[in-house]
Amino acid sequence: KAGVTQTPRYLIKTRGQQVTLSCSPISGHRSVSWYQQTPGQGLQFLFEYFSETQRNKGNFPGRFSGRQFSNSRSEMNVSTLELGDSALYLCASSLETGGYEQYFGPGTRLTVT
Amino acid sequence: DAKTTQPPSMDCAEGRAANLPCNHSTISGNEYVYWYRQIHSQGPQYIIHGLKNNETNEMASLIITEDRKSSTLILPHATLRDTAVYYCIVRLTNTGNQFYFGTGTSLTVIP
Repeated sequence: KAGVTQTPRYLIKTRGQQVTLSCSPISGHRSVSWYQQTPGQGLQFLFEYFSETQRNKGNFPGRFSGRQFSNSRSEMNVSTLELGDSALYLCASSLETGGYEQYFGPGTRLTVT
Repeated sequence: DAKTTQPPSMDCAEGRAANLPCNHSTISGNEYVYWYRQIHSQGPQYIIHGLKNNETNEMASLIITEDRKSSTLILPHATLRDTAVYYCIVRLTNTGNQFYFGTGTSLTVIP
């Protein structure tokens, strides 16, 4: 069974631009969660989507948004990029919501200049 | 979710057992203990989880104390590929899939 895939793997954007990252979960998995990892803050939860609905949200500004499609694929969008948004963005999928182990993708490395 | 405390770093000789401790003194009765690891610049990898009984799988063993205030992840025969940051997470199972990762333990396996 194929693992979680994320595209693109690397991205360079300019401050003020917006970016969309994509995540394809493991086949059959219905929950997709997004995390941001930076050297200073570590791994931080962004949000979780299940059945095309946002289930939980971390403490991030409204510039960070996401959505999930009927095939469980998910996208996250960051608008008005700031230098501090440079990070590794990780997507994780799990079978259901509510306490199932998560399987992470390789991440998208975003650099904002 | 309860907080966890882990040593920032540990070394282990290749071939020996690596014992990674985690304190979670404020854990509540229905919170599970999860372990993940992250090899440099890769996504975290699920290792094992448990509630109160000891658990074992092909990767590791999880020993939870009787009072559930601490646990130990055991890698029985550490290899160089086990060098990674290991995260101990305590969480409820009915509050969605958000995991709160702490700073973890950086394990270095020495040849």
